[in-house]
Amino acid sequence: NAGVMQNPRHLVRRRGQEARLRCSPMKGHSHVYWYRQLPEEGLKFMVYLQKENIIDESGMPKERFSAEFPKEGPSILRIQQVVRGDSAAYFCASSPHSLGVGSYEQYFGPGTRLTVT
Amino acid sequence: AQSVTQPDIHITVSEGASLELRCNYSYGATPYLFWYVQSPGQGLQLLLKYFSGDTLVQGIKGFEAEFKRSQSSFNLRKPSVHWSDAAEYFCAVDNMEYGNKLVFGAGTILRVKS
Repeated sequence: NAGVMQNPRHLVRRRGQEARLRCSPMKGHSHVYWYRQLPEEGLKFMVYLQKENIIDESGMPKERFSAEFPKEGPSILRIQQVVRGDSAAYFCASSPHSLGVGSYEQYFGPGTRLTVT
Repeated sequence: AQSVTQPDIHITVSEGASLELRCNYSYGATPYLFWYVQSPGQGLQLLLKYFSGDTLVQGIKGFEAEFKRSQSSFNLRKPSVHWSDAAEYFCAVDNMEYGNKLVFGAGTILRVKS
């Protein structure tokens, strides 16, 4: 059973460009979460999605950031017009579609390290 | 708003010595609690979790953690540290208000000296 996949692992963008980060959850998982880790800091929640629905986007910056999890294909975190402050590691996690305590375990991908020059 | 505090930014221990990493949380109810480990440039691996029941939980790699409700703490321990344990450790709390939203502490970097 493959784990959570993220690509690319490293992404370099110039200021003003767009960044698209992809996340494929573990097989059988229909809940996806995105977290951002700034240098020297812990992870901060950004958004929680289920298939075709955004459940909680309270951690997303109001502008330039968007996320989707379509019926088919990976979840995408999109950052428009990137700025230097967007440089960070972006982690995706997934959890199973089930009731009960098992649904609260989140499995993390290896992350995408975004560098804005 | 709930928060997670890891008071030690860096800890250095000798190989073979015991280890305790501290974690305190601020949350009204008993949350779900987790410890993750992150090696440099890698993702996060779940070490152990607490949902309910026995307050001493066993995890992978010889780690254990004890939930103490009275102290709002969930400290991670290991009796004998190995050099391969050098990494960054994160305590996390599940915000169940919206389902699953982990709130992380700032992390503790563990260095192991031989």
